[in-house]
Amino acid sequence: DAKTTQPPSMDCAEGRAANLPCNHSTISGNEYVYWYRQIHSQGPQYIIHGLKNNETNEMASLIITEDRKSSTLILPHATLRDTAVYYCIVSNWGNQFYFGTGTSLTVIP
Amino acid sequence: GAVVSQHPSRVICKSGTSVKIECRSLDFQATTMFWYRQFPKQSLMLMATSNEGSKATYEQGVEKDKFLINHASLTLSTLTVTSAHPEDSSFYICSARDRRGGSETQYFGPGTRLLVL
Repeated sequence: DAKTTQPPSMDCAEGRAANLPCNHSTISGNEYVYWYRQIHSQGPQYIIHGLKNNETNEMASLIITEDRKSSTLILPHATLRDTAVYYCIVSNWGNQFYFGTGTSLTVIP
Repeated sequence: GAVVSQHPSRVICKSGTSVKIECRSLDFQATTMFWYRQFPKQSLMLMATSNEGSKATYEQGVEKDKFLINHASLTLSTLTVTSAHPEDSSFYICSARDRRGGSETQYFGPGTRLLVL
């Protein structure tokens, strides 16, 4: 079963930062936080992952709270192409992914 | 990122026939691949873990005799839906585990849409 909780939907204005929260209060010490997104009728696309430090790549930033019970994915300048369902997953290295219901992000022109 | 392909992208078949779906890691070797199923307006549901050179591990409630998985090489896993029925119509997605560079990530294929008539 999924171990994460995300809001079902969010809107964001084009050009603004999109901040997507994820609650994972039962995360264990060696579980990573992964973020993927799925655009309609496509396979999920990897965005970013982290253990306890904040991470940044060319797509997004991942902020993990000090107690690791929640995280936020930040898309710094949302575009219309960022409209998708965003999934937050916690998993040990080598283990399976169990997807929750994700957050449907709509970027508004 | 790494590239994972699936073939075919969509398939229509008659009830009672079998359908094979291929999943390939194109630029890396994957000892482990995963198969998911997604029904409309729902999330991905893990079906099974495919391990190269050994038997697949199926999630609870997934019939191993109906969904045959073969992972014969480090770049290819196949899912065969045997004796398909209309309720098997779904979007099937594979992923491959990439362990290069000291990190571990799963990369997903584009999915295969199956319609059973």
